[in-house]
Amino acid sequence: NAGVTQTPKFQVLKTGQSMTLQCAQDMNHEYMSWYRQDPGMGLRLIHYSVGAGITDQGEVPNGYNVSRSTTEDFPLRLLSAAPSQTSVYFCASSSTPYEQYFGPGTRLTVT
Amino acid sequence: QKEVEQDPGPLSVPEGAIVSLNCTYSNSAFQYFMWYRQYSRKGPELLMYTYSSGNKEDGRFTAQVDKSSKYISLFIRDSQPSDSATYLCAMKDGYNFNKFYFGSGTKLNVKP
Repeated sequence: NAGVTQTPKFQVLKTGQSMTLQCAQDMNHEYMSWYRQDPGMGLRLIHYSVGAGITDQGEVPNGYNVSRSTTEDFPLRLLSAAPSQTSVYFCASSSTPYEQYFGPGTRLTVT
Repeated sequence: QKEVEQDPGPLSVPEGAIVSLNCTYSNSAFQYFMWYRQYSRKGPELLMYTYSSGNKEDGRFTAQVDKSSKYISLFIRDSQPSDSATYLCAMKDGYNFNKFYFGSGTKLNVKP
């Protein structure tokens, strides 16, 4: 049981490039989320999903796309990277109203 | 105004001290109150949660919720160097299953 896995661990992009951050969970959780964590800002919700085929926007969705074709996977796409998207990205999954299991994070730098 | 406010610290205490960590919030619809612990370069992990008001104790940790004041606290007794981490409060209402609101985190350092 690996829990929540994220790849890559580190990534450097140039402004304007696109990429996909991968997230997978093996706990059969219906609910998955993407957050970004910036110094002094805490964790901010980007997008979330309440099940396969269902996604919705969080607090800071601009510049990001998601899809949920399976229960296990919830990739996050950066369409055209900007320096303001430099951050640490966390994927999380949950099956209860109060507990989320977080992945180890992806550190992204956009130059 | 942010939904959840948390003092970023850092908070430095000697080993064995009692630590008090706090958050305030503005949304009276919040029903679930959580504390997460995050070690450096790791993802957050759930420490404790409370539903609605009241206290909850788990070993050296006690979580308190005062909904009338919109104020929550986490107390750590007999603090240990292994407690050194960033502590994040998180909250959500009873309707939006997946919409959690996090504080910015308080960095705690427990000195041996």
